[in-house]
Amino acid sequence: GAVVSQHPSRVICKSGTSVKIECRSLDFQATTMFWYRQFPKKSLMLMATSNEGSKATYEQGVEKDKFLINHASLTLSTLTVTSAHPEDSSFYICSASEAGADNQPQHFGDGTRLSIL
Amino acid sequence: GQNIDQPTEMTATEGAIVQINCTYQTSGFNGLFWYQQHAGEAPTFLSYNVLDGLEEKGRFSSFLSRSKGYSYLLLKELQMKDSASYLCAVLDSNYQLIWGAGTKLIIKP
Repeated sequence: GAVVSQHPSRVICKSGTSVKIECRSLDFQATTMFWYRQFPKKSLMLMATSNEGSKATYEQGVEKDKFLINHASLTLSTLTVTSAHPEDSSFYICSASEAGADNQPQHFGDGTRLSIL
Repeated sequence: GQNIDQPTEMTATEGAIVQINCTYQTSGFNGLFWYQQHAGEAPTFLSYNVLDGLEEKGRFSSFLSRSKGYSYLLLKELQMKDSASYLCAVLDSNYQLIWGAGTKLIIKP
């Protein structure tokens, strides 16, 4: 149980393109989903917390107009990297916790490797 | 501020036992998680401790001492596939997950 699906797994595109990444909880409902970014050999960096039916909460230093988050249902959150540039190249990972208790573990999607040329 | 400390890298031999330590200073505590992350992949959940003591799950065990702000992950009968980074994360009083930088574990034959 507790499977999180993230799509696409890899994106290579030109500078200036907008890229949408989907995160789905397949067998549970997630009122909260999390978006992380990870650089090579570095730890996870929380970008934003996505709440179903409301605006996402962004961490300090993360541009909300650059990284658009939509959490339209209890099983789907999307992250759109708008007008991506080479410095946005990174490994983006989403996670979700089952609704009902705040101490549920976060279950991660497989991640999306974004390469901007 | 909030802080999670764990060693950057450890090396161990196949078949042996290794203990990865994690110390934390956070605003409140609602549990501690250990995750495994293989290179290029997303983390996978290993264990959760909220009460003091040892939780055993197969070859992996996790220990917690809340009074000392300390946890460890114990891996027994090491296999080559255990080579990965191990991430310690603490749930603070606001139920926000605070992540350690991870410990890269290298297993040698």
